[in-house]
Amino acid sequence: AQSVTQPDIHITVSEGASLELRCNYSYGATPYLFWYVQSPGQGLQLLLKYFSGDTLVQGIKGFEAEFKRSQSSFNLRKPSVHWSDAAEYFCAVVTYSGNTPLVFGKGTRLSVIA
Amino acid sequence: DAGVIQSPRHEVTEMGQEVTLRCKPISGHDYLFWYRQTMMRGLELLIYFNNNVPIDDSGMPEDRFSAKMPNASFSTLKIQPSEPRDSAVYFCASSLTLGTGTASYGYTFGSGTRLTVV
Repeated sequence: AQSVTQPDIHITVSEGASLELRCNYSYGATPYLFWYVQSPGQGLQLLLKYFSGDTLVQGIKGFEAEFKRSQSSFNLRKPSVHWSDAAEYFCAVVTYSGNTPLVFGKGTRLSVIA
Repeated sequence: DAGVIQSPRHEVTEMGQEVTLRCKPISGHDYLFWYRQTMMRGLELLIYFNNNVPIDDSGMPEDRFSAKMPNASFSTLKIQPSEPRDSAVYFCASSLTLGTGTASYGYTFGSGTRLTVV
């Protein structure tokens, strides 16, 4: 069964600094990968997704993620973090066959300091 | 569309009481999911429906939990009797597909119901 690991439970970055959140998946074939963001008191919002093609995908709010098959990773990046980016970030995966629901990682909480 | 609508936003109840959480999915979405979020376990899928039919309820923790979807625009998650360890945020989500396909845009989540059982 597919699974997702987000190694970092909590990350703190300074406003204006760059950000990289890690995500590793476990699945034999090419998965479909997603990043979601959860602002405090809110539901999850889709940031970006990867299905096929270009391994660097752009999302909303200035985020991007790169799929690296050799490393089974799908890390989320942002060149300059804003205070409003403080939230919980979830990586999710679904198999190519598509007959199972999304499986979510446990999330990484991002704090932004001045 | 107003998105996925959950009610209530917050629920505080006493141990042993029945709790009913409600969800209205996005019109036209064929799939509806119930998730539970806790610090310890993250996001857990409890059950999901396809065209109002429960497909997989293997994530429902105990018989005290039940879910129904009487029509395409309404679903409930019921806990009876409730226990303190049920305290969590419960999310409902809906989707056109199960996650893949060119029409897939992922899931749309509601704002959640924060349940506190005292």
